[in-house]
Amino acid sequence: QKEVEQNSGPLSVPEGAIASLNCTYSDRGSQSFFWYRQYSGKSPELIMFIYSNGDKEDGRFTAQLNKASQYVSLLIRDSQPSDSATYLCAVKSSSGSARQLTFGSGTQLTVLP
Amino acid sequence: NAGVTQTPKFQVLKTGQSMTLQCAQDMNHNSMYWYRQDPGMGLRLIYYSASEGTTDKGEVPNGYNVSRLNKREFSLRLESAAPSQTSVYFCAGAGGYEQYFGPGTRLTVT
Repeated sequence: QKEVEQNSGPLSVPEGAIASLNCTYSDRGSQSFFWYRQYSGKSPELIMFIYSNGDKEDGRFTAQLNKASQYVSLLIRDSQPSDSATYLCAVKSSSGSARQLTFGSGTQLTVLP
Repeated sequence: NAGVTQTPKFQVLKTGQSMTLQCAQDMNHNSMYWYRQDPGMGLRLIYYSASEGTTDKGEVPNGYNVSRLNKREFSLRLESAAPSQTSVYFCAGAGGYEQYFGPGTRLTVT
């Protein structure tokens, strides 16, 4: 079982819709969770991080964390074609180095005009 | 303030050749990382350095060596390149848990 799992997609949503991206993790002791956006041919860019159960909102982005169910999600409201990218989930597990993250393989999102 | 920079951007090597990928950061980060990214595999950690003077193996260290030259610079060396090392290589820096990535080096080994 992979430590961090994401649906690879592709996920397609129409412009203006809500895009929902999901990530599950295996280490119940994980403490910190990150969402990165990666445009084709570019490097990952940090867009959200969440440490506590519940929701965290930043503009059109909302990260949701449920530690009991071991999942973290990213909602993108009013999706725009410029949101089309691969979204990577990353988790700081309880083992390993204090600064080491484990990445999922990413979900490819396409927002259709 | 350039953040994290990497050189070169592109490189083609023949099997058996050696090369060093350079990474530098101006964000005063203590921790630095080298990842490789292959299609469908996500980002896999090769080596990391929690602080100046220390380095540790990640998930896929075989065939690579690293040097943390000072706080700013963290280099990745391929001593004898193999086609399986064809990949995109990313360097990252972190002050806390959040990691910030450089633009990447696209390496092809023929």
